[in-house]
Amino acid sequence: DGGITQSPKYLFRKEGQNVTLSCEQNLNHDAMYWYRQDPGQGLRLIYYSQIVNDFQKGDIAEGYSVSREKKESFPLTVTSAQKNPTAFYLCASSNLRHTPNYGYTFGSGTRLTVV
Amino acid sequence: DAKTTQPPSMDCAEGRAANLPCNHSTISGNEYVYWYRQIHSQGPQYIIHGLKNNETNEMASLIITEDRKSSTLILPHATLRDTAVYYCIVRVVVYGGSQGNLIFGKGTKLSVKP
Repeated sequence: DGGITQSPKYLFRKEGQNVTLSCEQNLNHDAMYWYRQDPGQGLRLIYYSQIVNDFQKGDIAEGYSVSREKKESFPLTVTSAQKNPTAFYLCASSNLRHTPNYGYTFGSGTRLTVV
Repeated sequence: DAKTTQPPSMDCAEGRAANLPCNHSTISGNEYVYWYRQIHSQGPQYIIHGLKNNETNEMASLIITEDRKSSTLILPHATLRDTAVYYCIVRVVVYGGSQGNLIFGKGTKLSVKP
């Protein structure tokens, strides 16, 4: 089955450490996105990429970095510069070639806790 | 900021229709209305989208007013598994061109009660 996979589901890290969240899709989607969700809040866009080797900052990119070396993969690194990294992180993908489409397909999320 | 306004919460009795309103008074001509839902601690799930005509699929119906300034998502026979946060989003879609990103507000927390 095609889908989008995020790993791990739960992640614990010490304060000051960088951590990388994995996101892989086999839907042949052009675009990929990272969102952050805090308790009781909506999703906020961190970074997005519409093509390999290119990506743009979203609304809250500070303290995060991404890469898009392959179409299937869009890893997110939460750096030590991110002041409040504990959150639920969601990855999504979409096909830009056929519009309008079904919007985004989301992964099941990674819950990051920094202690 | 999100370009839609939704009530923060609603209740619905199991088996009854759930009608979730959304106001998008500043919607422009090339913006579609999308609905997603998020069950606790999962990724959002696509429900339905539309431009100006009413739409129906196996999950729900979408009613868009003639002036497109508001819409209603209808779950015809709500079940306990429909308890979730429902997000109404407007998004630019241009045929053969660029698409806007999905911008999520806080949504409506729907509680379906037995």
